[in-house]
Amino acid sequence: ETGVTQTPRHLVMGMTNKKSLKCEQHLGHNAMYWYKQSAKKPLELMFVYSLEERVENNSVPSRFSPECPNSSHLFLHLHTLQPEDSALYLCASSPYTGELFFGEGSRLTVL
Amino acid sequence: GNSVTQMEGPVTLSEEAFLTINCTYTATGYPSLFWYVQYPGEGLQLLLKATKADDKGSNKGFEATYRKETTSFHLEKGSVQVSDSAVYFCALRILSGSARQLTFGSGTQLTVLP
Repeated sequence: ETGVTQTPRHLVMGMTNKKSLKCEQHLGHNAMYWYKQSAKKPLELMFVYSLEERVENNSVPSRFSPECPNSSHLFLHLHTLQPEDSALYLCASSPYTGELFFGEGSRLTVL
Repeated sequence: GNSVTQMEGPVTLSEEAFLTINCTYTATGYPSLFWYVQYPGEGLQLLLKATKADDKGSNKGFEATYRKETTSFHLEKGSVQVSDSAVYFCALRILSGSARQLTFGSGTQLTVLP
């Protein structure tokens, strides 16, 4: 138990669906992150939020839309995804000292 | 730019064997260094860290020493167990303004056989 909870753990969606991934942290951290982990590829940083403001957006397609309503919650809204978007999506939070605390991930399959 | 290079896996060892997973880095400035572990079906967990040169991080029998002269942070364990089977990631972080993201290596798959 890392203190970072992701839901759902598994999600299957069609290319025309709209869904959202949710992340919640109870650690009092003020930075939150979305990473994408695909088979045989390095971890890809997608978005970083610090004090609820987006400070990093690594050229992620607009079909991925993050939302950070407060310092404890982070969402990733998904719409019109492609099969190549199938991956494990990891949420993390961090204190100022920088080490990341990860959730267990949401396994996404796009049909 | 900043980068982390890990030895390529997969690594397969017998139980009680000695483990080394090499990690070298390139960084502008003075990074903090981390090892993360990912067990099957789970997210990444912090295994150990070191924040300055010559620091040794240790946890669960694993150790890594921050070597500035060789820009390395190799992970070692004297006697591995089947339960150590996982993917291991080396990472670095530079404190720079508001930037807090880590740069990760590509991961090394370890399988320990009974």
